[in-house]
Amino acid sequence: GENVEQHPSTLSVQEGDSAVIKCTYSDSASNYFPWYKQELGKRPQLIIDIRSNVGEKKDQRIAVTLNKTAKHFSLHITETQPEDSAVYFCAASILTGGGNKLTFGTGTQLKVEL
Amino acid sequence: GAGVSQSPRYKVAKRGQDVALRCDPISGHVSLFWYQQALGQGPEFLTYFQNEAQLDKSGLPSDRFFAERPEGSVSTLKIQRTQQEDSAVYLCASSPGTSRETQYFGPGTRLLVL
Repeated sequence: GENVEQHPSTLSVQEGDSAVIKCTYSDSASNYFPWYKQELGKRPQLIIDIRSNVGEKKDQRIAVTLNKTAKHFSLHITETQPEDSAVYFCAASILTGGGNKLTFGTGTQLKVEL
Repeated sequence: GAGVSQSPRYKVAKRGQDVALRCDPISGHVSLFWYQQALGQGPEFLTYFQNEAQLDKSGLPSDRFFAERPEGSVSTLKIQRTQQEDSAVYLCASSPGTSRETQYFGPGTRLLVL
């Protein structure tokens, strides 16, 4: 089955700096890659996603890049703010008509310091 | 509109007890997923429903775990004869269709087995 690895496990940045989180996946059939943000004790919330037919997607301060050949994708957050502090999870999935179970990475604890 | 809701939010069970966890998906959502999230880890897939049909239960860790969605809306995850290793947060997610990829998560039920 699919295996997703995520690095780093913790990341501390100064407010205003950029943060980059990287993930690799094992199943070349995976074609959908969402990123979720989870604050302590809260539900995971989708912040951005990318499908395998594009290499990059951007939404304001957040961007995701995908390298299908190397089977890795990354989350980029620019101009970080204290409210960006949370755990971020990458995930991979194969979109089918029978549902798309997500395989998650182990998470990155991002801390944005003032 | 209302998001995915789960109840109870917290459950303490003695080892050997049976528990039932409830998920109310977003109204009209066809797909429903259950995930298990151990402390400090990413969610792990348990099972998937398309309407009332359980199409994938490959992630259920043992035959003590049982899930149902009899009318294609509310779902219940039941764990029989709970064990300490069952302690985790159980997350439910729903998505609009079978090919629409975005999954919306509930707040989870935190289960502690003593």
